[in-house]
Amino acid sequence: QVHLQQWGAGLLKPSETLSLSCAVYGGSFSGYYWSWIRQPPGKGLEWIGEINHSGSTNYNPSLKSRVTISVDASKNQFFLKLSSVTAADTAVYYCAREGSGFDVWGQGTMGTVSS
Amino acid sequence: QAVVTQEPSLTVSPGGTVTLTCGSSTGAVTSGHYPYWFQQKPGQAPRTLIYDTSNKHSWTPARFSGSLLGGKAALTLSGAQPEDEADYYCLLSYSDARRVFGGGTKLTVL
Repeated sequence: QVHLQQWGAGLLKPSETLSLSCAVYGGSFSGYYWSWIRQPPGKGLEWIGEINHSGSTNYNPSLKSRVTISVDASKNQFFLKLSSVTAADTAVYYCAREGSGFDVWGQGTMGTVSS
Repeated sequence: QAVVTQEPSLTVSPGGTVTLTCGSSTGAVTSGHYPYWFQQKPGQAPRTLIYDTSNKHSWTPARFSGSLLGGKAALTLSGAQPEDEADYYCLLSYSDARRVFGGGTKLTVL
């Protein structure tokens, strides 16, 4: 059974870079797109972007200038970097597999931006 | 950027039927937007109920169904149960590979 384990984020100061990793266990890495999604406290979901095993990416235009999603297919891992963070980037960040819909999710990682 | 709209809140009686909708500021929602529907309960990650308009996962209760209705994507719950009280989000995909979530619907079973 496919399982996503994510880590990173934590407490950041404004202007720093948020970094997250997501590892895929128990299933194929190729043949899927892998996404990052976030949710500010008490608010709705926001799609950040996605990547496939060969590194092809799509980004949310509103975040594109600050977001980099990358992949290490040899380790079945993908990554998120969000630069120049502000308090508005405080959120739970999820990684997810796009199989049939987003059918597998990571556990979520909190990223808090505070001076 | 496209805006995806959902009812902020809805209430359904136990055993009743309710339809949640998902509209797009760019025009009618079609199957080409590959509508997804997610359920999220407090403290949990979302889970996909419906993908590509009307397809269900193995874990999707039979009482949920997806469709297109009046230019919008729709999620219909027939025979609401107390455990269906949750936030529901739709997601639409656009031709430039953007994906946009709706603002969510808080469903109360009361």
